[in-house]
Amino acid sequence: QSALTQPASVSGSPGQSITISCSGTSSDVGGYDYVSWYQQHPGKAPKLMIYDVSTRPSGVSYRFSGSKSGNTASLTISGLQTEDEADYYCSSYRGSHTVIFGGGTKLTVL
Amino acid sequence: HLQLQESGPGLVKTSETLSLTCTVSGGSISSSDYFWVWIRQPPGKGLEWIGNVYYTGNTYYNPSLKGRVTISGDSSKNQFSLKLTSVTAADTAVYYCGRDTSLATTDSWGQGTLVTVSS
Repeated sequence: QSALTQPASVSGSPGQSITISCSGTSSDVGGYDYVSWYQQHPGKAPKLMIYDVSTRPSGVSYRFSGSKSGNTASLTISGLQTEDEADYYCSSYRGSHTVIFGGGTKLTVL
Repeated sequence: HLQLQESGPGLVKTSETLSLTCTVSGGSISSSDYFWVWIRQPPGKGLEWIGNVYYTGNTYYNPSLKGRVTISGDSSKNQFSLKLTSVTAADTAVYYCGRDTSLATTDSWGQGTLVTVSS
């Protein structure tokens, strides 16, 4: 099974907004409203930032938002801050109680 | 506050079995509200979902690993475990255990443990 498709890297300046895409198929992203996004700093465990496509867990900044259109989900970070520089991964339910991750996107804050 | 801690050998020989345990504190693996999951990350690469276990003992695995992987829970110790057989260098990774609160939603993670497969 191939991973969900994410851009390898994105970049932005402090204060700007960026969007990371996560492309799948009708068997995963497009078929269910169970897409999550994780932030991972070097050497650290991932942190849940968005679940169920667009829900933010308690404690996650309002600057992080999620959406989905068809087979593609997106994570938008507004008002970029230097601490947002990290790797970001999407994941999706794909039926039969299984999950698939995206390949990851490295965000650089210039 | 929920905490998860992976433990097990950091070095496994090629063709042998990788065995890891996740000890949960601050919560119970017997809760019907959660699944308990294993996820791995090869050095410098992305995340891969391995599988999970429910309090009933029901398990679900990544089809690409099926046949080699077994996940089980021990409610008496509040632990769950991962066994991966016939390992190769491709199984070298940081292995994370975690708690799923919904489908594809891991809200709590262990710190991860690096397992190297080498002859």
